[in-house]
Amino acid sequence: SYDVTQPLSVSVALGQTAKITCGGDKIGGKNVHWYQQRPGQAPILVIFRDNNRPSGISERFFGSNSGHVATLTITKVQAGDEAVYHCHVWDTTTAIFGGGTTLTVL
Amino acid sequence: EMQLVESGGGLFRPGRSLKISCAASGGSLGDLVVSWVRQKPGRGLDLVAFIRSKRFGETTYSAASVTGRVSISRDVSTGSVYLQVNSLQTDDTGVYYCATTKEGAGRYYYYGMDVWGQGTTVTVS
Repeated sequence: SYDVTQPLSVSVALGQTAKITCGGDKIGGKNVHWYQQRPGQAPILVIFRDNNRPSGISERFFGSNSGHVATLTITKVQAGDEAVYHCHVWDTTTAIFGGGTTLTVL
Repeated sequence: EMQLVESGGGLFRPGRSLKISCAASGGSLGDLVVSWVRQKPGRGLDLVAFIRSKRFGETTYSAASVTGRVSISRDVSTGSVYLQVNSLQTDDTGVYYCATTKEGAGRYYYYGMDVWGQGTTVTVS
């Protein structure tokens, strides 16, 4: 079965740029989706199909995907961006999620 | 804007069965892929099962870890989607979310899960 790997945690200073990675074998050939999940809340889709933002998602959120790594980039990080971020790919007949990355804003 | 509401969670004994439901307001689930995603305490997200749209035959899929114990279904009369889990195990404990995905031209993999419910908590003990 297909696996994707995320770092457990990423820290970034307020106002700087955060990068969260999602690694998988030839993941560049798949469509990667990203979710933000704040404590006690349901996930929110922030990027779909590698680099597309749903309506209402801040332009500070960017996605890229190439080779064996997909990346979620958050520019000008705010305190409200502190959350767990999950990557997701559909693989044949199932959905694969990364383990989630906790973003801490310093 | 569509909203999803899950219900039916609670405390269950091992070996028993549960059936939780996902109801939509502000839209119909019929044209969408509907997934049940479980989140164990302090852990990541895991797909439990999903059902494709009516247009694509309402085909169902379940995770290998629960195959044989779960079934996902739609109810035409209520418009809701249900997840039944049999032979409950303590490992089934978690928050169960339903979530929808567009299925344009059958390519649901192009899309993420863009609408989520607030989740229903299942405790097996």
